[in-house]
Amino acid sequence: QSVLTQPPSVSAAPGQKVTISCSGSSSNIGSNYVSWYQQLPGTAPKLLVYDNNKRPSGIPDRCSGSKSGTSATLGITGLQTGDEADYYCGTWDSSLSAVVFGGGTKLTVL
Amino acid sequence: EVQLVQSGAEVKKPGESLRISCKASGYIFSTSWIGWVRQMPGKGLEWMGFIYPSDSDTRYSPSFQGQVTISADKSISTASLQWSSLEASDTAMYYCVRHGGGQRLDSWGQGTLVTVSS
Repeated sequence: QSVLTQPPSVSAAPGQKVTISCSGSSSNIGSNYVSWYQQLPGTAPKLLVYDNNKRPSGIPDRCSGSKSGTSATLGITGLQTGDEADYYCGTWDSSLSAVVFGGGTKLTVL
Repeated sequence: EVQLVQSGAEVKKPGESLRISCKASGYIFSTSWIGWVRQMPGKGLEWMGFIYPSDSDTRYSPSFQGQVTISADKSISTASLQWSSLEASDTAMYYCVRHGGGQRLDSWGQGTLVTVSS
């Protein structure tokens, strides 16, 4: 059972927009920055969004992040088949003194 | 460019010991926390712990405390993850990660697959 809660799967058509939610508590999302990671099939995860809403260099502005209270959301617009991947939210948990992740969300571009 | 290059896949028997490694380049190794993430087959990501190479301060996730040992050698910019007695349940992909500000994991190694089977 993951500390952060994500939907197991989401899907949308090419060109459309999708959002992935991540729910936590006051000891993690509520008091720390949230990051999002993309894991393409058979590859290592990659940082997609950090500090709730910042993108590393090279990440397109089709990807965006937001946070409100104890929840965070990843948004991807203009979906492409190459966006099919598992997406994970992560943050620091001040009670556990550990990085915690959501269980991951599988994005299917229909 | 930050790079984390991990050692190759391992096949071990239960009860055997193992050390896997992660060589860092492209940044000052001593001044960033470096950690490990486990991904069991078909499952999600689990953070194991991290080390600050400058002073070897090491922290573990409660789930992994006492199960593994994380170490770092500043002289060769290499972090390691070690088991003294493997179990079948240790079968997984292990990623080394560099911690950036805000505890973001901003660089990932390519992964080391560890298979434990009799």
